[in-house]
Amino acid sequence: DAMVIQNPRYQVTQFGKPVTLSCSQTLNHNVMYWYQQKSSQAPKLLFHYYDKDFNNEADTPDNFQSRRPNTSFCFLDIRSPGLGDAAMYLCATSGRGPGRETQYFGPGTRLLVL
Amino acid sequence: QKEVEQDPGPLSVPEGAIVSLNCTYSNSAFQYFMWYRQYSRKGPELLMYTYSSGNKEDGRFTAQVDKSSKYISLFIRDSQPSDSATYLCAMSATGRGNQFYFGTGTSLTVIP
Repeated sequence: DAMVIQNPRYQVTQFGKPVTLSCSQTLNHNVMYWYQQKSSQAPKLLFHYYDKDFNNEADTPDNFQSRRPNTSFCFLDIRSPGLGDAAMYLCATSGRGPGRETQYFGPGTRLLVL
Repeated sequence: QKEVEQDPGPLSVPEGAIVSLNCTYSNSAFQYFMWYRQYSRKGPELLMYTYSSGNKEDGRFTAQVDKSSKYISLFIRDSQPSDSATYLCAMSATGRGNQFYFGTGTSLTVIP
């Protein structure tokens, strides 16, 4: 029944050790998003894909990369995590429609950097 | 000035109370308005979606948009302990998902 699935739900990594977060969706939506959400803050958009077209937000650090090998899967790579990268990472999807797009969020991956 | 301002709370109410959650915004081009509910350690889920001004009702929830004042509200009637969560407002001028502006969320606790 799950529509947007994120793995793992919790990830602990060491300072500077690369980490990959994954997202999959069963909605067949063409748009996928990665957000970073820190405690008591608004979700911050890092990347989004329209189909395979990758779009990077201007203020997303170079340390963050993303891959979307097919419609269903999307990955977030953090090449050298710093303490400031500890956060909840949210994946979301939306379908293309006239006028508006409704986002469906996954449960998130909580990243802890030691 | 932030695009979207939302009082972080926390807000604590007794069960059965009417809850009012609010956001203000600065961009007069916003015309798509959303409310999300986020339980602790979970992703946001869409509660209400409103286009332009006016009211929209869904069960115990009513979303209200006042574009002249740049102010949106979410009312929860007969609040329940299961309503305890953080409520995020979001808005957009274009309706495109990559152009949503989120508030920081209001933490609500409904006490049995």
